[in-house]
Amino acid sequence: AQKVTQAQTEISVVEKEDVTLDCVYETRDTTYYLFWYKQPPSGELVFLIRRNSFDEQNEISGRYSWNFQKSTSSFNFTITASQVVDSAVYFCALRPPHSGNTPLVFGKGTRLSVIA
Amino acid sequence: SAVISQKPSRDICQRGTSLTIQCQVDSQVTMMFWYRQQPGQSLTLIATANQGSEATYESGFVIDKFPISRPNLTFSTLTVSNMSPEDSSIYLCSVEKGRGAGGELFFGEGSRLTVL
Repeated sequence: AQKVTQAQTEISVVEKEDVTLDCVYETRDTTYYLFWYKQPPSGELVFLIRRNSFDEQNEISGRYSWNFQKSTSSFNFTITASQVVDSAVYFCALRPPHSGNTPLVFGKGTRLSVIA
Repeated sequence: SAVISQKPSRDICQRGTSLTIQCQVDSQVTMMFWYRQQPGQSLTLIATANQGSEATYESGFVIDKFPISRPNLTFSTLTVSNMSPEDSSIYLCSVEKGRGAGGELFFGEGSRLTVL
């Protein structure tokens, strides 16, 4: 079975602080894809990153970085120098490798509040 | 990327009525997904809609309650039938771009329904 756990329900930080959002997943597949999405108050889900299970390189995109560790089944997301605009709910998601009707399995999300 | 438009963006409905949500994509896509996000919760897949075939529903969701149409490769509708307050949720349309499970999944802004 596929499962994604985001243990942090809510996080509050002061602007300019760094913050890490945790994501732990479970799967029996050896090949899979991991995603992070941002959901601002407007409700739209914004795609942030997709990671193939064979690619364990960490990735940095501006203030965002992702740490993928297959050994611990974790795919954590760090925002450096947080800003108020980063306030949103962040979802980690897992997708098995099979083509066809394969939905995303979402974690419950972490609500990040960045205070000015 | 994909631009996805959903209508209505929000609505307040009376118990026992039905509402149809429309999803329009700016390009042709094979697979479209409908998700539900109950208040404060994560996203749950309702069904997958492929053009030219019946929608495939996930466990706990039935066609009589959530009939789906997919008349062409750029459009789909989801109807929430005989609504009750428990149906108050955000309903999101999602499409896949790219091949296989590694394709990117894009989401519309969602339709926020409140059932009184």
